[in-house]
Amino acid sequence: EIVLTQSPGTLSLSPGERATLSCRASQSVSSSYLAWYQQKPGQAPRLLIYGASSRATGIPDRFSGSGSGTDFTLTISRLEPEDFAVYYCQQYDSSPTFGPGTKVDIK
Amino acid sequence: EVQLLESGGGLVQPGGSLRLSCAASGFILSNYAMNWVRQAPGKGLEWVSTISGSGGTTYYADSVKGRFTISRDNSKNTVYLQMNSLGAEDTALYYCAKDIRGSLPRWYFDYWGQGTPVTVSS
Repeated sequence: EIVLTQSPGTLSLSPGERATLSCRASQSVSSSYLAWYQQKPGQAPRLLIYGASSRATGIPDRFSGSGSGTDFTLTISRLEPEDFAVYYCQQYDSSPTFGPGTKVDIK
Repeated sequence: EVQLLESGGGLVQPGGSLRLSCAASGFILSNYAMNWVRQAPGKGLEWVSTISGSGGTTYYADSVKGRFTISRDNSKNTVYLQMNSLGAEDTALYYCAKDIRGSLPRWYFDYWGQGTPVTVSS
C-alpha cells in the first residue's frame, strides 16, 4: 500500500500570501491518480485537483497542482479568507489512500 | 444539482450491524461508480468501499473486507453499505461520494454527502 505523507502539518499564513503544500508518496504514483481535497470544519471534503494538475469544476484558478512520481504540490497563489482549511492529498494505486492532511490556519 | 443524503447511522454495540443508505439526486446514478469514505472523530479520511455503476464490481478496504458489503439499487437512486461485526475502530462519520466520471471508478470523488455518524460502543 502506498503511504502518503503531507508537510507541513500546519501552515500559518496571512490572507493574500502564497501557500505551498507538499504531498510525498512512499512509492511512485501515476499522475493520473493524484488528487487534492479541501475540508472545512463541519463540512464534507471538496475535490480541488485531480490528475495531479486538473482543477475540478468550479475551483478558482488560484488553486494549482503540480508534481510527478513521489512528490506533488498544491499551491494557493493568494490566500482568501475562505481558503483556511485542512487539505488532503489522495492517490489510487491498488486502493485509494489519503494523506494525513495539512491545516492552513490564519497567522 | 447533485445531492447525496446519507442515513442509517447511529449507536450500535460491538459485534452489531448497521445498514447505511445514500439517496442520490440530480444525476443519473447508474452512470457513475459510487463510494463510501469514513472519517473517525478528529482524524483523517479513509476510503471504505466502491461499487461500479452497474453494481457488478465492488472494492473494499482491507480493514472492512469480509465485514462490509456495498450495494446499489439504481431504480431507487440509492447506494447502501451493510456493516456487520462492527468494532470500536469503525466509529466514524461515513460519507457517500460520487465518482468523478463514468460507471467504472476513476477514484476521484467530486460530490460528497454530509455524512452519517456511526458510533460503536457498549
